[in-house]
Order: sequence, then C-alpha cells, then structure tokens
Amino acid sequence: DGGITQSPKYLFRKEGQNVTLSCEQNLNHDAMYWYRQDPGQGLRLIYYSQIVNDFQKGDIAEGYSVSREKKESFPLTVTSAQKNPTAFYLCASSIGRLVADTQYFGPGTRLTVL
Amino acid sequence: GNSVTQMEGPVTLSEEAFLTINCTYTATGYPSLFWYVQYPGEGLQLLLKATKADDKGSNKGFEATYRKETTSFHLEKGSVQVSDSAVYFCALLSFTNFGNEKLTFGTGTRLTIIP
Repeated sequence: DGGITQSPKYLFRKEGQNVTLSCEQNLNHDAMYWYRQDPGQGLRLIYYSQIVNDFQKGDIAEGYSVSREKKESFPLTVTSAQKNPTAFYLCASSIGRLVADTQYFGPGTRLTVL
Repeated sequence: GNSVTQMEGPVTLSEEAFLTINCTYTATGYPSLFWYVQYPGEGLQLLLKATKADDKGSNKGFEATYRKETTSFHLEKGSVQVSDSAVYFCALLSFTNFGNEKLTFGTGTRLTIIP
C-alpha cells in the first residue's frame, strides 16, 4: 500500500537535546512538507522540499533543520534552538511539479520535551 | 496574503442532525479548496476538495461547494453519525511567487456528535 509513514508516534526528549523525526513516502511524490500543530490551532509550515537536494523555509523554520537526500525521505531535526518544541508534527507529500494537487499526510509524531 | 477563516468550535450535535461548518477564504487568483479531517491522535485525512468555482466536492455524505462570489467553501452533511466526531480543517492551496505550493489552513473546528 502506498502512503506516508512517520516514526516514532510518540517521542520524549530532554530539554537541550536535538531530536530527528522520520518521514518516509512510497507515493513517488516529488514534494514533501513538514508542519507543526499546536492545540487549538491550525497547521503551520516549517520546511518544504519540491525536489531532491533542495528545500525551502516555511513560515516557522527557526530552530529546525531538514535534509532531502532521497526522494522518499524528508527527516526533520528539532534543534535545541527551538524555544518551544513540544507539539504534534505532521509530514505531508504531494505530486509537486507545479501541479496544484492534494497533499497527503502521515499519522504524525507527538514530541514532548521534558 | 492568503487566509482561511473557519467557524469557531466546538460544535456539538445530536446524531442524525444536519451539519454546517462555515469556511471563508481570502486569496488572489483561483486557489484549490480542501476539507481535511483529523481523528483523535491521528494525522490529517483528505475529506473532499474542489479546484474551480462552482465545483462541488463530496465524500462519505459530506459536501462542499466552491462559491467564488462569496469566497466560501462551507462543509455540510445531512445526517451526522457518532463516527463523524473529529476536528475539521478547511484549507486553500495556492502558489507562491516562486512557483511553490502553499497550503493555508484554518484553525480547525472540533465536532462532537452525541448518540
């Protein structure tokens, strides 16, 4: 079955530690995205990537980093510079290539910083 | 810039009631419009979409019509079920000046259906 997987589902880290969230897709999509969701709020875009080896900052990129070495994978690192990292993180992908098509979402990772 | 305004929740209805969740948008050009649904502890699932004016998206008994004259995309269902309890997000898809896709979300509306 094609889809997007995120792991782990729940993640706990101590303050000051970097942590990397995994996102993999087998939909053969060019574009991938990372969003952050806080309680009672909509989703905010952190980073996105239209093609391999290229990515752009979204609306709230500070304190985060990404890489896109493979088409299928778009890991997100939450660094110690992120002031309030506890949130629900969602990865998405779409066909890209300037086709205004649907973004499909993974199940999410809930990060709690202790 | 683009924005989406959703009806504030939470919304609580009895089973078999009629549902409307309002969504209006501000955008230049002709964005595509979406409704996503999020069940507790899960990611977002696409519920329905419309890509041009007067299009009607439909799925699982839900409907929404792209109304350019009122810049709206209200979600409706004739008879809700307990299993419809979730958070619903309205979103619009547009392109930035650099040709990148941008999905702009509303804040979400929590719906609870009581048996």
